Amino acid sequence: ILNVEQSPQSLHVQEGDSTNFTCSFPSSNFYALHWYRWETAKSPEALFVMTLNGDEKKKGRISATLNTKEGYSYLYIKGSQPEDSATYLCASPNFGNEKLTFGTGTRLTIIP
Amino acid sequence: DAGVTQSPTHLIKTRGQQVTLRCSPKSGHDTVSWYQQALGQGPQFIFQYYEEEERQRGNFPDRFSGHQFPNYSSELNVNALLLGDSALYLCASSLIGKYEQYFGPGTRLTVT
Repeated sequence: ILNVEQSPQSLHVQEGDSTNFTCSFPSSNFYALHWYRWETAKSPEALFVMTLNGDEKKKGRISATLNTKEGYSYLYIKGSQPEDSATYLCASPNFGNEKLTFGTGTRLTIIP
Repeated sequence: DAGVTQSPTHLIKTRGQQVTLRCSPKSGHDTVSWYQQALGQGPQFIFQYYEEEERQRGNFPDRFSGHQFPNYSSELNVNALLLGDSALYLCASSLIGKYEQYFGPGTRLTVT
């Protein structure tokens, strides 16, 4: 059974500050790691799909790193803005693109 | 290009009733997955459909069934509803063999 964990569960960050949070997953039989941003009442939005150890991806002020040997990924947000307030989910498939197993998410609130 | 759409947005049912939720995948996608998100948890995989057949199933009872149509749209059916079935039901579409999964906004089911 794949176990994906995220920390912290929630986070309050002052506008303009940078922040990061963690996703951990089993390092054996790794296929991919997905990051999603989920704003209230909207669809989860795909941020990154990462597959290679050492991978780093960037989208605007958001970036992510991947360490498949130790089983973790970090998501970084630089210069937080109110629109960054959302729940950030990570997920890993158990085989190919099937059956994503999700963490419980990190709920980020940006304080103006 | 419309993304993944789901209907209805909200639904209230009584214990013991049956419900059908609908999903239209993103244009060009051929695979549909269904997830249940209960309060405080990450989305849990229910099942996945490809070529009108169930490819993989999560740990959900037989009361949960589905269907995929020739146009790739899909339905999720839940029989004999329980209070514990109250949740947000998410549909995700993808192209077979590709990692990326795109989510709809979900259907909020309340069982009273």
